[in-house]
Amino acid sequence: DQQVKQNSPSLSVQEGRISILNCDYTNSMFDYFLWYKKYPAEGPTFLISISSIKDKNEDGRFTVFLNKSAKHLSLHIVPSQPGDSAVYFCAASTGTASKLTFGTGTRLQVTL
Amino acid sequence: DTAVSQTPKYLVTQMGNDKSIKCEQNLGHDTMYWYKQDSKKFLKIMFSYNNKELIINETVPNRFSPKSPDKAHLNLHINSLELGDSAVYFCASSQDPGPETQYFGPGTRLLVL
Repeated sequence: DQQVKQNSPSLSVQEGRISILNCDYTNSMFDYFLWYKKYPAEGPTFLISISSIKDKNEDGRFTVFLNKSAKHLSLHIVPSQPGDSAVYFCAASTGTASKLTFGTGTRLQVTL
Repeated sequence: DTAVSQTPKYLVTQMGNDKSIKCEQNLGHDTMYWYKQDSKKFLKIMFSYNNKELIINETVPNRFSPKSPDKAHLNLHINSLELGDSAVYFCASSQDPGPETQYFGPGTRLLVL
């Protein structure tokens, strides 16, 4: 049973435009959400996180939005740059557990 | 200076062999993890240690045994390797258990022939 889902395996966006990556979850106990970026042959790198007490968190070009009623979060990258091309993983955890549950990732390609 | 390092990066071995993967972190974190990314790209937790104590043990065959000699190291030993063990294994660490950002190593690509 996949509790964190990223339904788009890939996304292509032009440089300078907005990239929107989506993530849905089914476990209502999740209260902390993270986005990781992964380049080939490297480990995932933490990008941005959000606690369930917030609905938005912004860090430079990256903004994560959380809609708890819809059990949905999204990552916005504005403006997109070629160096943003990578696989993006959504992950979630509960408040008292250290276990992260990951989605299957979305491959973002930023074209010139 | 690498924060979370793993050795080896690549490991090719025969079925039935025993192998170990080492992980070290220099971040001063108290909690370390092992994840497995299978051929379908699912990234799933296997184990978690906090200050050398096991705190998470997912449904993993007992051929897999983590060992934490100190809080900066978490090694993964695998006995009697099987074809299905082929995957990328990632080590990670975080300051505390709970909703903490985890920092990942580069991964060890294991291929069992």
